[in-house]
Amino acid sequence: DTAVSQTPKYLVTQMGNDKSIKCEQNLGHDTMYWYKQDSKKFLKIMFSYNNKELIINETVPNRFSPKSPDKAHLNLHINSLELGDSAVYFCASSQQTSGGITGELFFGEGSRLTVL
Amino acid sequence: AQKITQTQPGMFVQEKEAVTLDCTYDTSDPSYGLFWYKQPSSGEMIFLIYQGSYDQQNATEGRYSLNFQKARKSANLVISASQLGDSAMYFCAMREDYYGGSQGNLIFGKGTKLSVKP
Repeated sequence: DTAVSQTPKYLVTQMGNDKSIKCEQNLGHDTMYWYKQDSKKFLKIMFSYNNKELIINETVPNRFSPKSPDKAHLNLHINSLELGDSAVYFCASSQQTSGGITGELFFGEGSRLTVL
Repeated sequence: AQKITQTQPGMFVQEKEAVTLDCTYDTSDPSYGLFWYKQPSSGEMIFLIYQGSYDQQNATEGRYSLNFQKARKSANLVISASQLGDSAMYFCAMREDYYGGSQGNLIFGKGTKLSVKP
């Protein structure tokens, strides 16, 4: 039973298209994240939601829009895709850090987006 | 300035030997957490080990240990008795707790690619 699942795993599309990646976690965590891993393997935070509320919004083009319908889901919609958007996008979740909780991130398998 | 620095882009180690992967960090927050993740070629991110800034003992998890030197702001990962399956990218990461108000996200280093030779 997958803890953090994201779909699709692979996405190949043309420049200018709009696409979405969905993420769901069944761990009961309050906080969810989107990270982008570029071709050099560098992982960078894009967005973070805590209990459906946006708490981190890094310097990301406004073509990227996260949506959290409930605390178990965090979707990523990308408009007008560009070549530079090609990357692996990871969804993750974590528990609040209190009472000995370490707060490690649980990652999904990643969604590899290729823009042609 | 980088918050997490991993100075070794690539490392080789002979099977069954120990290897140390370096990580230094930069924060002014007295409360923080340090993490190591493994990313094999299949792409998933696997949590390995955690060290809290107030933990007195170095963290250990099986063959993994974290050499935490707080004054030097270093958190090196030691893998003992390397196995072929240890070949992967390894990422050091930090969570800053912002005086009790952590946003939870981790800041990652650029990673070290470890190759284990038979």
